[in-house]
Amino acid sequence: AQSVTQPDIHITVSEGASLELRCNYSYGATPYLFWYVQSPGQGLQLLLKYFSGDTLVQGIKGFEAEFKRSQSSFNLRKPSVHWSDAAEYFCAVSGGYQKVTFGTGTKLQVIP
Amino acid sequence: DTGVSQDPRHKITKRGQNVTFRCDPISEHNRLYWYRQTLGQGPEFLTYFQNEAQLEKSRLLSDRFSAERPKGSFSTLEIQRTEQGDSAMYLCASSPLGGQGNTIYFGEGSWLTVV
Repeated sequence: AQSVTQPDIHITVSEGASLELRCNYSYGATPYLFWYVQSPGQGLQLLLKYFSGDTLVQGIKGFEAEFKRSQSSFNLRKPSVHWSDAAEYFCAVSGGYQKVTFGTGTKLQVIP
Repeated sequence: DTGVSQDPRHKITKRGQNVTFRCDPISEHNRLYWYRQTLGQGPEFLTYFQNEAQLEKSRLLSDRFSAERPKGSFSTLEIQRTEQGDSAMYLCASSPLGGQGNTIYFGEGSWLTVV
């Protein structure tokens, strides 16, 4: 069965600092990987996705993520965080045309 | 192109009552999903449809829950005899059939509070 682990429940960074959110997945074949962002009381917005090819993928809002098969990881990064990035971030995995399985999320707090 | 639309956005109901949520997917999206999300958790898969066929149901979907997509367009999720444990946000999502992988697009969610 596919699964996702996000080891950090809560992360606090200063505005302007760099950010890395960790994600480890479990899936028996080549996974499809996603990062979503959720503001309080809202639905989830897709930040970026990895299907194949270049292991470094670019997304919206200046985010990027790197797929590392050997580590079963798909970490999300941003070089300089803005106060508006404060939200909850979810990593997700799918095996193609199957259900998408989500991690438990990492809540990001940005301090001035 | 409009996004996924959910109605109502908020619902407060008394325990034991029935509630129904509606989801209108992105037009021409063949697949439609229902997820449930409680505070501090990620979305949990409930069920999905391809056109009008319900292809998978989670064990989370007890017999008090029923979902339909009668004409392959909008979908409804009904919860009968609500319990306090049903309080959550119910998220609908849709995806096209075809292309790469399975990118799903979410609506804003329907909050349910059972009192």
